[in-house]
Amino acid sequence: QVTLRESGPALVKPTQTLTLTCTFSGFSLSTSGMCVSWIRQPPGKALEWLALIDWDVDKYYSTSLKTRLTISKDTSKNQVVLTMTNMDPVDTATYYCARIQGSNPRMYYFDYWGQGTLVTVSS
Amino acid sequence: SYVLTQSPSVSVAPGQTARITCGGNNIGSKSVHWYQQKPGQAPVMVVYDDSDRPSGIPERFSGSNSGNTATLTISRVGAGDEADYYCQVWDSSSDHVVFGGGTKLTVL
Repeated sequence: QVTLRESGPALVKPTQTLTLTCTFSGFSLSTSGMCVSWIRQPPGKALEWLALIDWDVDKYYSTSLKTRLTISKDTSKNQVVLTMTNMDPVDTATYYCARIQGSNPRMYYFDYWGQGTLVTVSS
Repeated sequence: SYVLTQSPSVSVAPGQTARITCGGNNIGSKSVHWYQQKPGQAPVMVVYDDSDRPSGIPERFSGSNSGNTATLTISRVGAGDEADYYCQVWDSSSDHVVFGGGTKLTVL
């Protein structure tokens, strides 16, 4: 059974750095073809892709947020961590982590999602 | 960067067929995936690779993709299908996941 769960602060202040952890079970990120990604959704708005890390060494970032994002993994703990620097109120959103199973990026789709965690940026 | 365009809303009467479109430049050359998101819930994949259904998704959900438009078709629509629907692709030119802006399906 595949599960993912996001954890992190519910409230951060402007200019602070956000650190979110995705803890997953039911698969290993060291298995060929496995990837974990972060997606966010501001209240009432559309999904926005943030970053992706694969089973090997590759990491991909949204161009618009690349300078602020870092994605990393700890395969021994079954965790993927996303850090986002210089937080702003416009970054208020529900942040999701999701799994991709596929070695061909053309077939990168999210078959399992966490429940999401709402992060509010406010002083 | 690659852009996916969805109509903001679609309305359909119960029992009828809903068609939700996703436009993109030569999207027919890409593999399109669709997600359903109900209020307060995480998205759920309903179609992958243009027209395949994950296990547990009713046959009422189907997809097609050609030219500049991909379509999610939901037949015999019921109140339980009211949700936001998002299309998604992988853009190989930028190595990015791309989502459409979402379509809100309303069952009249």
